[in-house]
Amino acid sequence: TQLLEQSPQFLSIQEGENLTVYCNSSSVFSSLQWYRQEPGEGPVLLVTVVTGGEVKKLKRLTFQFGDARKDSSLHITAAQPGDTGLYLCAGEPLSGGSYIPTFGRGTSLIVHP
Amino acid sequence: EPEVTQTPSHQVTQMGQEVILRCVPISNHLYFYWYRQILGQKVEFLVSFYNNEISEKSEIFDDQFSVERPDGSNFTLKIRSTKLEDSAMYFCASSVNSDLGDPYEQYFGPGTRLTVT
Repeated sequence: TQLLEQSPQFLSIQEGENLTVYCNSSSVFSSLQWYRQEPGEGPVLLVTVVTGGEVKKLKRLTFQFGDARKDSSLHITAAQPGDTGLYLCAGEPLSGGSYIPTFGRGTSLIVHP
Repeated sequence: EPEVTQTPSHQVTQMGQEVILRCVPISNHLYFYWYRQILGQKVEFLVSFYNNEISEKSEIFDDQFSVERPDGSNFTLKIRSTKLEDSAMYFCASSVNSDLGDPYEQYFGPGTRLTVT
């Protein structure tokens, strides 16, 4: 059982389309991080969401943290080929009692020109 | 912009040999981490390090693994006797003190690809 479930697993779209990817859990998180990883490279931090219901924007990327702090979404507007990559969510559940970061399996996004 | 660096980028070793993977975290960061990612699989936490001692470790981080901060800049991961299943990308990460920012905002290095033959 995955602590952080990400969906969809794969997404292939055309340039200019909008998309949303999801990160869901049955556990409550103090915060969630979103990363983008390109093949053969390390994850690059995009954003941290901390407060339930919080919305953060990073240019064409909009991140939302669920009210109950169990889920998060990433919406990309007018996707570009440069957005291609593996999008990972990560966090540490509040119930853990210790900080052991957990990553989801990621959503692999391909944006075709 | 400050970044985490790792060396070597690729290490090939024979089964049973010892390897040391090196990392230079961002200079004002106080929390340090090692992760591994087996090809095609998710990023897995190995160990976290703070104030010169291990804070947390996962089940993967058994007696074959050790970490050290030998000086003020380097942070190393040693695998004493490598196994075939240790082949993976190993990522180092660092984060700031919680008083200064979110300790969960980790900055990752580019990784070391370890191949055990």
